[in-house]
Amino acid sequence: AQSVTQLGSHVSVSEGALVLLRCNYSSSVPPYLFWYVQYPNQGLQLLLKYTSAATLVKGINGFEAEFKKSETSFHLTKPSAHMSDAAEYFCAVSSSSGGTSYGKLTFGQGTILTVHP
Amino acid sequence: SAVISQKPSRDICQRGTSLTIQCQVDSQVTMMFWYRQQPGQSLTLIATANQGSEATYESGFVIDKFPISRPNLTFSTLTVSNMSPEDSSIYLCSVVWGYEQYFGPGTRLTVT
Repeated sequence: AQSVTQLGSHVSVSEGALVLLRCNYSSSVPPYLFWYVQYPNQGLQLLLKYTSAATLVKGINGFEAEFKKSETSFHLTKPSAHMSDAAEYFCAVSSSSGGTSYGKLTFGQGTILTVHP
Repeated sequence: SAVISQKPSRDICQRGTSLTIQCQVDSQVTMMFWYRQQPGQSLTLIATANQGSEATYESGFVIDKFPISRPNLTFSTLTVSNMSPEDSSIYLCSVVWGYEQYFGPGTRLTVT
């Protein structure tokens, strides 16, 4: 069984400040981990993913995340927030075992990021 | 990349009726997935649809309530049957293509 916990349903930062969105996971097998972003009235867009290669993963729009097995965490960061980063962010986990589990994602509750000028 | 379109983009339906949501992909894919995003909540997988076989439903979802068709490798439908206000959600279609998972824009359903 897998689960994802996103700490903080709402995060507010000032423009130019560090963005840190927290995600902890639980998985009985080595996980694949993902961050998705959802802008208002739009579909989900993949920001980045971890699939057992480098533990520090760089994604689009200046975001990155670090897989820490010992902490079962996959926090998302961006050094300097931009107004356009305001959106809802979802952390998700899937099994790396492939087969029938491929494509089946378990999502966290989401974190709404607000960026103040 | 895979481009996914869904129809309708939104609808308002009366309780007790049914709505069929269409999902079209611009590439041939083996598996298609249907997710639900209830208001203020996260996404939950409803079922996996493989072409030529019965859909596989996740715990808490049944075929009688959410029948799925998968007539070919680029198309699928999800029907929400005998709707109640609790079915008000965004329904998203998703595919895996080229080791990436893509999501459609969603169908926003409101049941009154």
